[in-house]
Amino acid sequence: SQTIHQWPATLVQPVGSPLSLECTVEGTSNPNLYWYRQAAGRGLQLLFYSVGIGQISSEVPQNLSASRPQDRQFILSSKKLLLSDSGFYLCAWSVFGRGPESGANVLTFGAGSRLTVL
Amino acid sequence: GQNIDQPTEMTATEGAIVQINCTYQTSGFNGLFWYQQHAGEAPTFLSYNVLDGLEEKGRFSSFLSRSKGYSYLLLKELQMKDSASYLCAPDYNYGQNFVFGPGTRLSVLP
Repeated sequence: SQTIHQWPATLVQPVGSPLSLECTVEGTSNPNLYWYRQAAGRGLQLLFYSVGIGQISSEVPQNLSASRPQDRQFILSSKKLLLSDSGFYLCAWSVFGRGPESGANVLTFGAGSRLTVL
Repeated sequence: GQNIDQPTEMTATEGAIVQINCTYQTSGFNGLFWYQQHAGEAPTFLSYNVLDGLEEKGRFSSFLSRSKGYSYLLLKELQMKDSASYLCAPDYNYGQNFVFGPGTRLSVLP
């Protein structure tokens, strides 16, 4: 079966410090990978998605970046955090397909990383 | 954007029925997902509709009208544990880049 791991679960960082959140998926090959952010009391905002190694699409301009060094590894980074970067960061994966009958297309989320920037 | 619209908040009583609506842009639409998210947790998959009509799955049902750009999630026999946010997510590119609606926060009262 497939599992998704995301870490760290919580972190508190000062403004201007760097950030690295990591996500790995097990039990599947060539997944689509996603990073979402959810500010307190708000909806999910798609930050990045990737359909393959080295292929990253950015949905919103920001001081964050993403990388996919391996097929099942997705990393979210920042060189200098801003107060507005605080939020709940969620990694997710899916398999490209045409419907959920076989499990394809359904987004499965990691447990999330709660970031507080002070 | 995909102009996804959902009510912000809803309140219902335990044992009742509640309908959460979602409207979206129809251009390029393939199907629609509903997810449930409890406070402080990650969203979990509830349903996926690709054809018009109602699909029932236990206490939860989901309806889709492709021509109207409209879906709803129907929750029956509400329980306290159903208190959560419900997220509508139209699929425009066969799962390549999911965009979620703002979510509807449902409070179930005793």
